[in-house]
Amino acid sequence: GIQVEQSPPDLILQEGANSTLRCNFSDSVNNLQWFHQNPWGQLINLFYIPSGTKQNGRLSATTVATERYSLLYISSSQTTDSGVYFCAVGFISGTYKYIFGTGTRLKVLA
Amino acid sequence: GAVVSQHPSWVICKSGTSVKIECRSLDFQATTMFWYRQFPKQSLMLMATSNEGSKATYEQGVEKDKFLINHASLTLSTLTVTSAHPEDSSFYICSAKPGGAFYEQYFGPGTRLTVT
Repeated sequence: GIQVEQSPPDLILQEGANSTLRCNFSDSVNNLQWFHQNPWGQLINLFYIPSGTKQNGRLSATTVATERYSLLYISSSQTTDSGVYFCAVGFISGTYKYIFGTGTRLKVLA
Repeated sequence: GAVVSQHPSWVICKSGTSVKIECRSLDFQATTMFWYRQFPKQSLMLMATSNEGSKATYEQGVEKDKFLINHASLTLSTLTVTSAHPEDSSFYICSAKPGGAFYEQYFGPGTRLTVT
């Protein structure tokens, strides 16, 4: 099946720094989303981005489907950005499946 | 945006008992719903995919008889953990999408299960 790897696995930043999170997937996908999981476990949908580029405030994302990767950019990071970031991809393998990447754990220091 | 609810948000049960978790799409009809399990400091693992009115498709390694999934209507799917054991303690999350492969996925807030 498709493998979804995220890098880096862990990231520590000072407040105000910028960062880039990467999501690589091993085969063609129909869908891709980025999520931030808060300390209570809830998944916050950041971007639905199967291709192209989107921006929302300090966050932006780019997916290059032909090269099988997506990037999440966080600018001017804040302590509230801390948490785990997941990408997830949807694809058809017999039935439609939707699986998560390995995650990036981000800690922003004040 | 579309809303998916889960009930209960947390549950504690004794070993050997069964627990049912509900997943509802509140403002859209979900042709497909998904169930995930997440252990501490790990990613979410897909357990099964359910389509309304048909049997669920389970991922390899997931026990069908232990994790019973029913997708009785276009707005409701249930996961029943039968004869629960402490190793079934985990965070269970459902998701739903309103249409085909190119639709965004919406996630419930999760259910934390503790088996004593």
